[in-house]
Amino acid sequence: NAGVTQTPKFRVLKTGQSMTLLCAQDMNHEYMYWYRQDPGMGLRLIHYSVGEGTTAKGEVPDGYNVSRLKKQNFLLGLESAAPSQTSVYFCASSYSVRRESTDTQYFGPGTRLTVL
Amino acid sequence: AQTVTQSQPEMSVQEAETVTLSCTYDTSESDYYLFWYKQPPSRQMILVIRQEAYKQQNATENRFSVNFQKAAKSFSLKISDSQLGDAAMYFCAYRSGQGAQKLVFGQGTRLTINP
Repeated sequence: NAGVTQTPKFRVLKTGQSMTLLCAQDMNHEYMYWYRQDPGMGLRLIHYSVGEGTTAKGEVPDGYNVSRLKKQNFLLGLESAAPSQTSVYFCASSYSVRRESTDTQYFGPGTRLTVL
Repeated sequence: AQTVTQSQPEMSVQEAETVTLSCTYDTSESDYYLFWYKQPPSRQMILVIRQEAYKQQNATENRFSVNFQKAAKSFSLKISDSQLGDAAMYFCAYRSGQGAQKLVFGQGTRLTINP
């Protein structure tokens, strides 16, 4: 049981390049989330998904797109990277139904992205 | 929109002592959850403790406990018998009890443990 995994762990891009971050979870969670963490700040929600084939915008969605083609995967895309997107990106997942002992979000290890 | 505020950017405590981290939040909802997450240098987000708003009893997890003051919208974390491994960034987070379980985080408090 690997939990939540993220690929890649590190990446350096040039302005204008594109890339996709992959998040995978093996806990059969319905909900998945993408957050970004900037220095001195807490995590902020970019996009989230409440089920396969559905996505929704979070607090800071501009410049990102997402897709949830399979229940276990949640992809975050940057079509034209900008220096302002330099950040650490975290994926998380959770059940949709309240379960007393496991009612929380499980986080991946993060991806450090630098845009030059 | 809900907001979470952590007014202490940094805190330090002597090993084996007790330290309290502060958190306040703003919401008009009555059904919600509050969390404390720990983020060590490895960057991994680790759940420390959770509190359901409908429960009056303060949550405890071993050396970690909370002081949940619903009317004051305050949710502080107390760490007893501080250990070197407790050194990390600590984030307070809010989640609505309805709909998608989106987390709203505070800015974080960096906790240093002095040996």
